[in-house]
Amino acid sequence: DIQMTQSPSSLSASVGDRVTITCRASQGISNFLAWYQQRPGKVPKLLIYAASTLQSGVPSRFSGSGSGTDFTLTISSLQPEDVATYYCHDYSTAAAAHTFGGGTKVEIK
Amino acid sequence: EVQLVESGGGLVQPGRSLRLSCAASGFTFGNYAIHWVRQAPGKGLEWVSGISWNSDTIGYADSVKGRFTISRDSAKSSVYLQMNSLRAEDAALYYCAKAGGAGSYYMGMDAWGQGTTVTVSS
Repeated sequence: DIQMTQSPSSLSASVGDRVTITCRASQGISNFLAWYQQRPGKVPKLLIYAASTLQSGVPSRFSGSGSGTDFTLTISSLQPEDVATYYCHDYSTAAAAHTFGGGTKVEIK
Repeated sequence: EVQLVESGGGLVQPGRSLRLSCAASGFTFGNYAIHWVRQAPGKGLEWVSGISWNSDTIGYADSVKGRFTISRDSAKSSVYLQMNSLRAEDAALYYCAKAGGAGSYYMGMDAWGQGTTVTVSS
């Protein structure tokens, strides 16, 4: 099975900072990757799919990049409402099984 | 408005069974894959199982393979998760989630229910 490794597991940054979260797949998954935001006590929300396509309604400060095994979620200017845990999600075709990364908790400094 | 409503959670003893339901509305149910994702208290998301729009593709996480069975009923716009031989480590909030595009199992999930809680304890 494919393993998804996210880093860091947590980070603290100031409002307005650029924040980068990485996700590494144990084998190539092309661009079959999504990113989700889960605010405390809330349901996960799709931010990005196909590695770099912004879901409708998601602020443009969020962006995704990468292909193959290495992927990045970037928040260009961190806002207070971005406090959340972020998850990557592999939905490639390997064995019809999907996989989530372990999550990255983002806090405001 | 897309809605997914889970039900069927509760307290169950180890080794027993439980059946979760996910009732969908607000979209053409028969065109979309549906997945189950769980989250243990204070832990991350874990994909559990998924079923394609036509039930041709079904997948399970290794942790539940052989114990859980997913199915769907288009007439009722519902997806089910039959959970047998439950273990303490299956305790979690179980979400159902809709694939982001019609006709494909291999997509992100763009709509989620509020979840139903499963507790496994003697």
